[in-house]
Amino acid sequence: QVHLQESGPGLVKPWETLSLTCSVTGDSIRNEVYWGWIRQPPGKGLEWIASVYHGGTTYYNPSLKSRVTVSAVTSKNQFSLKLSSLTAADTAVYYCARAGLVVAAPHDVFDMWGQGTMVTVST
Amino acid sequence: EIVLTQSPGTLSLSPGERATLSCRASQSLSNTYLAWYQQKAGQAPRLLIYGASSRATGIPDRFSGRGSGTDFTLTITRLEPEDFAVYYCQQYGTLPQTFGQGTKVEIK
Repeated sequence: QVHLQESGPGLVKPWETLSLTCSVTGDSIRNEVYWGWIRQPPGKGLEWIASVYHGGTTYYNPSLKSRVTVSAVTSKNQFSLKLSSLTAADTAVYYCARAGLVVAAPHDVFDMWGQGTMVTVST
Repeated sequence: EIVLTQSPGTLSLSPGERATLSCRASQSLSNTYLAWYQQKAGQAPRLLIYGASSRATGIPDRFSGRGSGTDFTLTITRLEPEDFAVYYCQQYGTLPQTFGQGTKVEIK
């Protein structure tokens, strides 16, 4: 059974860089699927942030591209997210998820999700 | 960027009733690349429907989707207590893939 688990700090200061990791079990990030990050501010909807393909190709939401880096760590079966220059507007639950099994493209449905990790940006 | 608008914002119904949720896209979606997710409080979204009308693995047949172009609908034929949640549509026809703002189905 596929399981995704996010890890990282729950509280970060404004203007710092957020680093999150998603650990995958039951599947290999070397497989031909896409591994993505989605966030959800409190009480609001979902926003796709970025995705990384098994070979390392990355895809970013243009609205966040200048501040985001995603990468895959194949040796640990993990992938990561870095988001810089944080503001209060980045406060959200951050989810990692798997995509690519329907369309086999970076724009695809997310069929497996982690439980999410709450990140608060505050002094 | 394709904008998805969901309506209504909140749907107040009783168990056993029929729920009809709408999702409208700002431009026509190629290949009906429209999905629906269910999200319960404190949980991650769960994929219900993809390709506008195909149910994901393990999804009961009381959930059905239809539509094409810019107008899509999710129908829950007989609401079960566990169906009261927030539902999101997602377009995955083009990057950036985007989500609607959600429809909350609450107990009347």
